[in-house]
Amino acid sequence: GAGVSQTPSNKVTEKGKYVELRCDPISGHTALYWYRQSLGQGPEFLIYFQGTGAADDSGLPNDRFFAVRPEGSVSTLKIQRTERGDSAVYLCASAVGRGGYEQYFGPGTRLTVT
Amino acid sequence: GQQLNQSPQSMFIQEGEDVSMNCTSSSIFNTWLWYKQDPGEGPVLLIALYKAGELTSNGRLTAQFGITRKDSFLNISASIPSDVGIYFCAGPNTGANSKLTFGKGITLSVRP
Repeated sequence: GAGVSQTPSNKVTEKGKYVELRCDPISGHTALYWYRQSLGQGPEFLIYFQGTGAADDSGLPNDRFFAVRPEGSVSTLKIQRTERGDSAVYLCASAVGRGGYEQYFGPGTRLTVT
Repeated sequence: GQQLNQSPQSMFIQEGEDVSMNCTSSSIFNTWLWYKQDPGEGPVLLIALYKAGELTSNGRLTAQFGITRKDSFLNISASIPSDVGIYFCAGPNTGANSKLTFGKGITLSVRP
């Protein structure tokens, strides 16, 4: 079956611009996670959705970052007034349900802020 | 917060050799996960461990959940070129939200 998909695969934007990154989880997975991965590091947690609601957004670095999942399936990570330090690979993962430790990752979106 | 330690940062082995890598933490984890990441791809789940002392295999891969619950080991036997990649250990933070903490990963190179 289809895995987690993310679009775009690459995004180059200028400092100060707004970007949206999309994640399409595995069908039937109610839990959805966003992580950010910098070069040479493991993924770092940003936000977790259970269904439509953000159950934990403690990893979002500041209020320029926001994510939604209005229908409990596709999620969009939104970054306002991008900064060069936002450059990273943004990974999305989904899991079957609450306490879904076995998380399945998409290929990521590589964001470059110039 | 909870941290997972993986070392060394890189490992170089000859094709056909076995390799072992470990992951340690100063705090207890109740679940351990091992992922592999290829360049330009997301991490792929290899093995999940749920019980202290558990030993689980997936083909040529074997992972163990340490008795102290503060470490885990991944072994790859008879390595092949496609084993090249970055291997991450991960575990869920305490609490109900199951967000994962990852180690920094070990980059494995296999010489033909």
